[in-house]
Amino acid sequence: DAGVIQSPRHEVTEMGQEVTLRCKPISGHNSLFWYRQTMMRGLELLIYFNNNVPIDDSGMPEDRFSAKMPNASFSTLKIQPSEPRDSAVYFCASSWTDYNEQFFGPGTRLTVL
Amino acid sequence: EDQVTQSPEALRLQEGESSSLNCSYTVSGLRGLFWYRQDPGKGPEFLFTLYSAGEEKEKERLKATLTKKESFLHITAPKPEDSATYLCAVNAGGTSYGKLTFGQGTILTVHP
Repeated sequence: DAGVIQSPRHEVTEMGQEVTLRCKPISGHNSLFWYRQTMMRGLELLIYFNNNVPIDDSGMPEDRFSAKMPNASFSTLKIQPSEPRDSAVYFCASSWTDYNEQFFGPGTRLTVL
Repeated sequence: EDQVTQSPEALRLQEGESSSLNCSYTVSGLRGLFWYRQDPGKGPEFLFTLYSAGEEKEKERLKATLTKKESFLHITAPKPEDSATYLCAVNAGGTSYGKLTFGQGTILTVHP
């Protein structure tokens, strides 16, 4: 049983470049979540989807961040343009419903130079 | 605003030395409290969900309990492989049913 799949696992880019992070949730899960983890702020929810529809994007830091979920098995988080302060580990998680336990992927470590 | 505070920030134990981690929370209405374990370089791994005061869950050497203001993660006779960061999170419902608010975590180190 494959868990949540994220790609790439590591991304190094230069300031101003576009970055796209990808996530495949666990099959059958109806809710998908994007988190960001830093030493200073810990684990923070950016946005989550129910049945492919964005429900709460209040954690998205600014307009440079956008997320899509075109179907039940795929989601993207895009940063354009990227800035050094975006450097963090980004996690995707999924769950059966939005109040059940969430299962996390391995994360994407993003470094913006 | 929902708040989750974990203590201590770091805990060092000898193998076999039992102890407890604390998670204090302030929420308008608790829908669920979750415990996760996170190893370096990996995503959080789900351990337990607790829904109401008085509830307890156990798994191997770990036992989670819940009151109206806090949760404890009891570790009995820990082993070095229990070393990890333990995260607590709450789902307070309201207008954002899916939002989990995480604590900063407790870094547990178990020495052989």
